[in-house]
Amino acid sequence: AQSVTQLDSHVSVSEGTPVLLRCNYSSSYSPSLFWYVQHPNKGLQLLLKYTSAATLVKGINGFEAEFKKSETSFHLTKPSAHMSDAAEYFCVVSAYGSSNTGKLIFGQGTTLQVKP
Amino acid sequence: KAGVTQTPRYLIKTRGQQVTLSCSPISGHRSVSWYQQTPGQGLQFLFEYFSETQRNKGNFPGRFSGRQFSNSRSEMNVSTLELGDSALYLCASSLQGAYNEQFFGPGTRLTVL
Repeated sequence: AQSVTQLDSHVSVSEGTPVLLRCNYSSSYSPSLFWYVQHPNKGLQLLLKYTSAATLVKGINGFEAEFKKSETSFHLTKPSAHMSDAAEYFCVVSAYGSSNTGKLIFGQGTTLQVKP
Repeated sequence: KAGVTQTPRYLIKTRGQQVTLSCSPISGHRSVSWYQQTPGQGLQFLFEYFSETQRNKGNFPGRFSGRQFSNSRSEMNVSTLELGDSALYLCASSLQGAYNEQFFGPGTRLTVL
């Protein structure tokens, strides 16, 4: 079975400093991994996805993530945080198998706080 | 291209009532998935529909049901509402469902009193 674990429930950074949100995954198969962001009272927006192509994935708004199979990790980074980055971030794996179509498995989320 | 739309955005119901939520996917997308988001349980998969057929179902009681129409629009129904059903209900659409990224609507906030 697939699962994801987000290692930090809350991360606080200062504006202009780097962002690191950590995610480990568990999967018996080559996973499809995603990062989504949710701003208050909004739906989920896809930041980036990994689907077995390049291991370094670039997303929107300057975010990127690196797939490391040896470490079963898919950490999200951004070189310089903006105030508008403050939100909830979810690491997500696509459930595998014909009986699991259309199912995404979500981590518990990391709240990113950006201080001025 | 218009995004995923959900109606209504907010609902207040009382225990024992039933409710129907609607989701219109992105044009051309044939898969619609539904999720429940609560502070305690996080985001949990309810079910997925593709070409009017339910292909997958999460671990929710039978009070939760859904359907999909020929234009790919989907509805979700919850009968005999309980206080614990209060949540944000999100629908997501994708081209095929399996391994495709899903695009989410803004959600319907259901409050059960």
